[in-house]
Amino acid sequence: GENVEQHPSTLSVQEGDSAVIKCTYSDSASNYFPWYKQELGKRPQLIIDIRSNVGEKKDQRIAVTLNKTAKHFSLHITETQPEDSAVYFCAASGGLNTNAGKSTFGDGTTLTVKP
Amino acid sequence: NAGVMQNPRHLVRRRGQEARLRCSPMKGHSHVYWYRQLPEEGLKFMVYLQKENIIDESGMPKERFSAEFPKEGPSILRIQQVVRGDSAAYFCASSTRPRRDIGQSDSPLHFGNGTRLTVT
Repeated sequence: GENVEQHPSTLSVQEGDSAVIKCTYSDSASNYFPWYKQELGKRPQLIIDIRSNVGEKKDQRIAVTLNKTAKHFSLHITETQPEDSAVYFCAASGGLNTNAGKSTFGDGTTLTVKP
Repeated sequence: NAGVMQNPRHLVRRRGQEARLRCSPMKGHSHVYWYRQLPEEGLKFMVYLQKENIIDESGMPKERFSAEFPKEGPSILRIQQVVRGDSAAYFCASSTRPRRDIGQSDSPLHFGNGTRLTVT
């Protein structure tokens, strides 16, 4: 089945700096890559997603890039703020070896933004 | 739209008891997924259901765990004879019917607030 690896596991940045989180996936047929933000004790919430027919997507301070050839995708957060502090999960789904909708998640990155 | 509703939020069970976790998907969503999250770990897929059908239960332990999504009412995740290792947050998610169009074979998951199970 699909295997998703996420790096780094922890990331600490100063307020205003950029943060980058990277994920790799194994199933070349995967075609949907969402990113979720989970604050402490709360539910994961979708923040941005990208489909395989697009190489980059941006939403205000958040952007995601996808390299299908290398099978990796990244989350970029610019001008970080303390409220960006949370655990971020990448996921991959839609591959031939998975049922549609079944996502394989990375193990998460704990982002801390220091004021 | 009330979103994905899970209850209870917190559940405490003694070893050997049964735990029943309930999930009502978002209005209009017919696909339900259960994920387990151990402390400081990621989300692990357990089971994927549609109304009255289990589509994929490859992530669910074969013993003690079962799931259903009846024609009427919420989806239920049942854990029998709970053990301490079952302590975790159990999240339910729902999505719309996945589209099969090129480049749109999947749809976002909307998560509930989770049920935090503690086995004492």
